[in-house]
Amino acid sequence: QLQLQESGPGLVKPSETLSLTCTVSGASISSSSYYWGWIRQSPGKGLEWIGNIYHSGSTYYNPSLKSRVTISVDTSKNQFSLKLSSVTAADTAVYYCARTLPCSGGSCLNWYFDLWGRGTLVTVSS
Amino acid sequence: EIVLTQSPATLSLSPGERATLSCRASQSVGSYLAWYQQKPGQAPRLLIYDASNRATGIPARFSGSGSGTDFTLTISSLEPEDFAVYYCQQRNNWPPRLTFGGGTKVEIK
Repeated sequence: QLQLQESGPGLVKPSETLSLTCTVSGASISSSSYYWGWIRQSPGKGLEWIGNIYHSGSTYYNPSLKSRVTISVDTSKNQFSLKLSSVTAADTAVYYCARTLPCSGGSCLNWYFDLWGRGTLVTVSS
Repeated sequence: EIVLTQSPATLSLSPGERATLSCRASQSVGSYLAWYQQKPGQAPRLLIYDASNRATGIPARFSGSGSGTDFTLTISSLEPEDFAVYYCQQRNNWPPRLTFGGGTKVEIK
């Protein structure tokens, strides 16, 4: 059964870099059919897309976060990772990793997330 | 950036009633719209994609409609497990970009 699991520090100091990893089990992240993404949700608030990555390493980021975000993939470990630099309290959120629907009809932009990790709370505080 | 506005913010209904949720986009998104359900402490669950296609395993009481800027999620007869927060999400064609609506909470009346 395919599962995604986020891991990383639950507490990050202001101005430092938030680093999270998503481990995919039950299937290969190298499948050509999917994008993999990060989404966050601030406490009591809505959802914000951070970015997506393909197994080739091709990435797309939310323009509002692009200057601070790096998403990478390690196919040998079946993982993809998120780095968010220069964090502030506004970056406190539950961070989810997720998988998109598969490519269809020649398009790999079916960017709706059908499989999610359980999420991990990251608090930015000194 | 395309902004999605969901209404109402809260919908108070009883089990068995019909729920109608709205999502309006600030500009046309074609049919590139999805709906998610989220319960407390859980990740969102994909219900509907491309405006009207039910995701795998989603009961037939959930249906989506609309195109362009106005979309609707309908739950034909609320089950106890349907009381949750619902989000819409759009995807641009190019450059790829995703935004979510602010959510509608469906609560027990």
